[in-house]
Amino acid sequence: DGGITQSPKYLFRKEGQNVTLSCEQNLNHDAMYWYRQDPGQGLRLIYYSQIVNDFQKGDIAEGYSVSREKKESFPLTVTSAQKNPTAFYLCASSLGQFNDEAFFGQGTRLTVV
Amino acid sequence: AQSVAQPEDQVNVAEGNPLTVKCTYSVSGNPYLFWYVQYPNRGLQFLLKYITGDNLVKGSYGFEAEFNKSQTSFHLKKPSALVSDSALYFCAVRDPGGTYKYIFGTGTRLKVLA
Repeated sequence: DGGITQSPKYLFRKEGQNVTLSCEQNLNHDAMYWYRQDPGQGLRLIYYSQIVNDFQKGDIAEGYSVSREKKESFPLTVTSAQKNPTAFYLCASSLGQFNDEAFFGQGTRLTVV
Repeated sequence: AQSVAQPEDQVNVAEGNPLTVKCTYSVSGNPYLFWYVQYPNRGLQFLLKYITGDNLVKGSYGFEAEFNKSQTSFHLKKPSALVSDSALYFCAVRDPGGTYKYIFGTGTRLKVLA
């Protein structure tokens, strides 16, 4: 089955700890995205990548880092510099054209303990 | 700057009645517009999109949306609501003159009452 897979589904982070969220797609999509979802705020873009080995900051990139070494993978690291990381994180991918819709993974819920 | 507004946090409708979820947008050029639905603790599912052509777009699960350029709106509609339509709905825009980003609204919670 083609799709986009996020893991883990739930993640707990201690104060001062870095954690990495996985996002893998087998749709052969060029573009990949990370969004953060908080209640009442909709989806806010963290990072996006239009092509392998290239990525751009979104609206709330501080405290996060990404890599795009392979077309199918776009992991997100939440660093200790992110002061309020508790949220629902969504990864998405799309083909390379503007008129293409994005496909979303099932999300990772990160909680600071 | 590109933006999307969903003016209603929640919409309540009785089962069997028509529903409308509102969306307005602001872009510098001709927009590409999308609607998504999200069920609890899940990712977003694509419903429909407007790229060009007919202003009435039909999508999944009986949903449709009407593009109105003069009012810069893209309202989601369904002729007869089902209880199973209860979910969170997001409107999104892409500006082909801009970046590859999808800009999302804040979401509208639809509650269909039996």
